[in-house]
Amino acid sequence: GIQVEQSPPDLILQEGANSTLRCNFSDSVNNLQWFHQNPWGQLINLFYIPSGTKQNGRLSATTVATERYSLLYISSSQTTDSGVYFCAGPAGGSYIPTFGRGTSLIVHP
Amino acid sequence: EAGVAQSPRYKIIEKRQSVAFWCNPISGHATLYWYQQILGQGPKLLIQFQNNGVVDDSQLPKDRFSAERLKGVDSTLKIQPAKLEDSAVYLCASSRTGGQYSPLHFGNGTRLTVT
Repeated sequence: GIQVEQSPPDLILQEGANSTLRCNFSDSVNNLQWFHQNPWGQLINLFYIPSGTKQNGRLSATTVATERYSLLYISSSQTTDSGVYFCAGPAGGSYIPTFGRGTSLIVHP
Repeated sequence: EAGVAQSPRYKIIEKRQSVAFWCNPISGHATLYWYQQILGQGPKLLIQFQNNGVVDDSQLPKDRFSAERLKGVDSTLKIQPAKLEDSAVYLCASSRTGGQYSPLHFGNGTRLTVT
């Protein structure tokens, strides 16, 4: 099946810093999504981004499908950004999202 | 619109007991997923339904896990008998079509502890 690698596995930031999270896929990407899991366990869909770039406030994401990776940018980080960020993509020819192991982000005040 | 509803929120059982989880997807969403998330890992798909039919259950341990989605709306996931390694959060998600341009929406999950 498809392999999803996320980096870095852990990230600690001071409030106000910027960061870039990366997601690599072993197969072609056509249905990529980014999620934030807050400290209470709720998974929130941040972006549906099969290709190109999207922005939502301080967050933006870029997917380069031909090179099998996606990036999530967090600017001016806040303590509420803490949690785990997951990317998810399809397995082979299906549209079933397969998740990476996530990037754990802690933002200190 | 109302989100994906799951119950119970927490469940503690002893090994070899049985347990059931319930999920009600967002209204109008044809596709429903059950994921298992073990502490420190990403969610792993157990089963996907399209309306009331199973699309993929290749990672469902069928000797002890079962799931159904009668009438193509809400769904139940059952474990019988439970093992210690089943301790995890069970997440239900839904999407409008299950194909392209169909983001996932997750419920709050059920945290299962097997002792």
